[in-house]
Formats: sequence, C-alpha cells, structure tokens
Amino acid sequence: NAGVTQTPKFQVLKTGQSMTLQCAQDMNHNSMYWYRQDPGMGLRLIYYSASEGTTDKGEVPNGYNVSRLNKREFSLRLESAAPSQTSVYFCASTPKETQYFGPGTRLLVL
Amino acid sequence: GENVEQHPSTLSVQEGDSAVIKCTYSDSASNYFPWYKQELGKGPQLIIDIRSNVGEKKDQRIAVTLNKTAKHFSLHITETQPEDSAVYFCAAGPPGRRALTFGSGTRLQVQP
Repeated sequence: NAGVTQTPKFQVLKTGQSMTLQCAQDMNHNSMYWYRQDPGMGLRLIYYSASEGTTDKGEVPNGYNVSRLNKREFSLRLESAAPSQTSVYFCASTPKETQYFGPGTRLLVL
Repeated sequence: GENVEQHPSTLSVQEGDSAVIKCTYSDSASNYFPWYKQELGKGPQLIIDIRSNVGEKKDQRIAVTLNKTAKHFSLHITETQPEDSAVYFCAAGPPGRRALTFGSGTRLQVQP
C-alpha cells in the first residue's frame, strides 16, 4: 500500500514550457486535491476533485489545469510555466475528511 | 470563504517544556479541525483532529482544544522532544468533502 505517490520529485522548467505533475493513490479515496506550498503561506488549494469525473477550482487556479483520469489518478498541468509558479506542489486524497498527502514535487521555473 | 490565522510563526522551546500553537477561523460552518506535522522534505501528516461537537481531544502528549464561540482552536504538546521539531499546520474544513483551508504554519524547534 503506497498511499499517495507523486512524480516527478523535482523539476526545472524554463518560462513558457509546459509540464504535467502526476498523482496517484491506492486507497480507493473518492476525493483528491492539488495544493501549492510557498514559504510563509501554508498550503493553498489549486484544484480539487470530489469524485471521479468532477473537478472544481480552489483558491489559486489561474495558470493550471487538472484532469481526474480515473479514481486513482489526478494530474496537474502547467500549460505555460511562469516564475511565479515556482513552488512545492502537494497532492492529497481523502475518503471523507482526513487528507493524506503525497511527498511533493519541487518545481523551479527559471 | 474560510480564513485561518495561525500564531506564532516560529516557536523555540527547551526539551521537556510544553508548546502551544493557536489558530482562529472565520467560517462558523466549519466543523472539522485537523492538525498536520510536516518534517523537512516530506508531505504533511495528520497528528490529531477535532470536530465541532467536541471541546477537547487528547492523544498521549498531544491535545487539541476548540472554542466554537470564539472560533479558535489550539494544539498543545507536552514534554516536548527533539523529534517534535517540525512545521505544524492547523486547518479548518466545512461539512462534506470540500477542501480544507490551512493556516500559514508554525516552525517548532525543540532545543536539546
């Protein structure tokens, strides 16, 4: 039981490049989330998916898109990366309330 | 929407002392209040949570208290140990499966 896994662990992009952050969970949870973590700002919600086939915007969705591919997988896409998107990205899943987090993806946009 | 404020941002204590971290929230509909611990280079992990129908909950050296009227909740760690050193986040959540709103975090350092 791996819990929540994220790939890649670390990525460097140039401004304007695109990439997809992958997240998968093997706990059969319905809800999944993407957060970004910046120094002194805690965790801010980008997008979430309450169930397979649904997605909703969070607090900071601009510049991102998501896909809930199936119950296990929830991906986050940056179409045209900007330096302001340099951050640590966390995926989480929950069966009801308690959220279980992945190890994070560190993204540096130059 | 919900707004969660967390204090202090940094806290340094001597091993064996107690540590207290406080959070306030704005949305009276929130009814779920978890606390997460984040070690360096890792994702946050739940350490304790409380729901709005309970005023206090304890798990060994960790306790959480909730004052619904004042809209604040606190994390208490007794007999602190060096391995308690980490960043702690509070959060507040509405009913249902919508996402949590997190505080800005408290960096706790326990000096041996």
